[in-house]
This record gives sequence, C-alpha cells and structure tokens, in this order.
Amino acid sequence: GENVEQHPSTLSVQEGDSAVIKCTYSDSASNYFPWYKQELGKRPQLIIDIRSNVGEKKDQRIAVTLNKTAKHFSLHITETQPEDSAVYFCAASMKQGGSEKLVFGKGTKLTVNP
Amino acid sequence: DTGVSQDPRHKITKRGQNVTFRCDPISEHNRLYWYRQTLGQGPEFLTYFQNEAQLEKSRLLSDRFSAERPKGSFSTLEIQRTEQGDSAMYLCASSLAGLDEQFFGPGTRLTVL
Repeated sequence: GENVEQHPSTLSVQEGDSAVIKCTYSDSASNYFPWYKQELGKRPQLIIDIRSNVGEKKDQRIAVTLNKTAKHFSLHITETQPEDSAVYFCAASMKQGGSEKLVFGKGTKLTVNP
Repeated sequence: DTGVSQDPRHKITKRGQNVTFRCDPISEHNRLYWYRQTLGQGPEFLTYFQNEAQLEKSRLLSDRFSAERPKGSFSTLEIQRTEQGDSAMYLCASSLAGLDEQFFGPGTRLTVL
C-alpha cells in the first residue's frame, strides 16, 4: 500500500548540533521526495526536495539523501539554530495508477535548545 | 500576497451543518490539491484538480464531501452534515502541471461541536 514511515517522532538537540530525520516509502514508482517545515499554526513550507535521479542534494545547512534501492531518504540539518525548531514532514509522490498526490509521514517535532 | 490563500481561516460549526471552504491557488498554477491534517499527523490527500477537471479522489473522501473548481482557478470544498470527526485543518496546495513542487495555503481550521 501507499505508506511513508518517518522517525523519530520527536528530536531534541543542542544548538549547533546536527539533526537527522529518516523516512522510508513503499511505492517503488515514487520519484519525488519533498521535505516540509511546519511551525505552530502555520502552513507547511517546502524547504528542500530531491528527485529519484539524484542521490544527494544540499542547500546551505540542509541536505537530503536518497537511497532508492532501500527506499530510504533522510533530512540532515547541520549547525542547528533555535529557529529550526518546528515539525518536519517528509513526503513521497505516489505515481501508481497515474496519481499525482503526495503521501506524508507523521512528522518529527524538532526542538533546538539554546 | 501571491501565495495560496484560503478562506475562512477558522470555522466553528455545529454537528449536522454544512460548511464550504475556498482556496485561491498561486496565479497560473493549473493543479490544485486538497489535504486534511489532524493533530499530530501529516497532511492526508483528499482530491486534486487539473484545471477544472477533478482527476483523483481519495477513499477518505466520503459522499458528504464535494469539491469543485468550475473555472479552473479557485476551488471550493463543501462538507455536508458535518460530524465531529470532520474537525481538522483543511489545507489547499497548488502546483504547475509537469512540476512536482506543491505550495500550501495557510489552511482552514474546522471545529465541529
């Protein structure tokens, strides 16, 4: 079935440390994997994404890696800052049957302690 | 503001009433999506449009839910005979066909008493 598993559900780090969030997906046809950041009461914001023809993508302190064989992808945040505190969602495109929807993980609440 | 907008931002209603939400996508985005998000969960797909055509509906979308996008621009989501289990944040997103990035609106928070 269509499923995206995300771990951990909560993550607490000290400012300046790195944070890693991991996701697995079920649909082998998935080819697009975005990450969203959602602050309390606000809309999900796209922060980085990766496509299946790429193994890694980096944007300043944020990087995403993809292992298509294992159906794993991860978000890496380096030099964390208090403003990185939010809920982060991974998602995978579900392409079976011509679908264009995203299936989301359950989220990781990241707390960066000053 | 050129982002996705939604109206109203909050709606409180009594069980059994009908409610309608509106979404205005980013200008020129021809795909529009509706998702539902409950506390502690990620967004769950409900339905999507390409232009005015509704191309996909989730099994989550019961007969009480209907969505329209009559002119291929804004969309409405109506819930008839609301139930307490319908309480959630209803999110709209838009994208350009052929591009994967979906951009979300601020959502409409529905509370059914």
